[in-house]
Amino acid sequence: LAKTTQPISMDSYEGQEVNITCSHNNIATNDYITWYQQFPSQGPRFIIQGYKTKVTNEVASLFIPADRKSSTLSLPRVSLSDTAVYYCLVGDIPGRRALTFGSGTRLQVQP
Amino acid sequence: DAGITQSPRYKITETGRQVTLMCHQTWSHSYMFWYRQDLGHGLRLIYYSAAADITDKGEVPDGYVVSRSKTENFPLTLESATRSQTSVYFCASSGGQAGNTIYFGEGSWLTVV
Repeated sequence: LAKTTQPISMDSYEGQEVNITCSHNNIATNDYITWYQQFPSQGPRFIIQGYKTKVTNEVASLFIPADRKSSTLSLPRVSLSDTAVYYCLVGDIPGRRALTFGSGTRLQVQP
Repeated sequence: DAGITQSPRYKITETGRQVTLMCHQTWSHSYMFWYRQDLGHGLRLIYYSAAADITDKGEVPDGYVVSRSKTENFPLTLESATRSQTSVYFCASSGGQAGNTIYFGEGSWLTVV
């Protein structure tokens, strides 16, 4: 499983766009990039997944450059309810190897 | 959607006692996982399983035992609970295809006194 590096924490204000970058220099050809969100006292939940270029859903966008050695999760116009920990995972079949989450990025949104 | 359920949700036990946390999923997912999350910290993998009767150690397996006799169940047992095992335990599951996402249960809060 590719090792990932994310910022430990980020601060933002309501209405701003937040970009969280994840580095994964040793990503393999078959690996997908998946982001999860975790609120306090809850299990992580899926936000978005991509393989290359850009993916957008109703919650976020995921930007992946051509070399795929990093990815950026973009949250448009954040609100207080976006305060959470965000995890970046890189891998092919979850569970084929040990699936570790790392520390994630703690996003704090202020009013 | 109660696809993956954990029980008990909350448990207080004494040091030295055996405790079993249950996990049940209804999707027939191949892969299942147990994580622990200490207050203010990230998730750490305890054990995972690729299928019935196949289990592997994760990052922090010491003091824990798992079994998987049926695809849908993945119980986690603390053989002799210690205070350092006070934590929130999350069970998760995933299908066996590339790009499959991981679905987490609601967590089991365990306090060892």
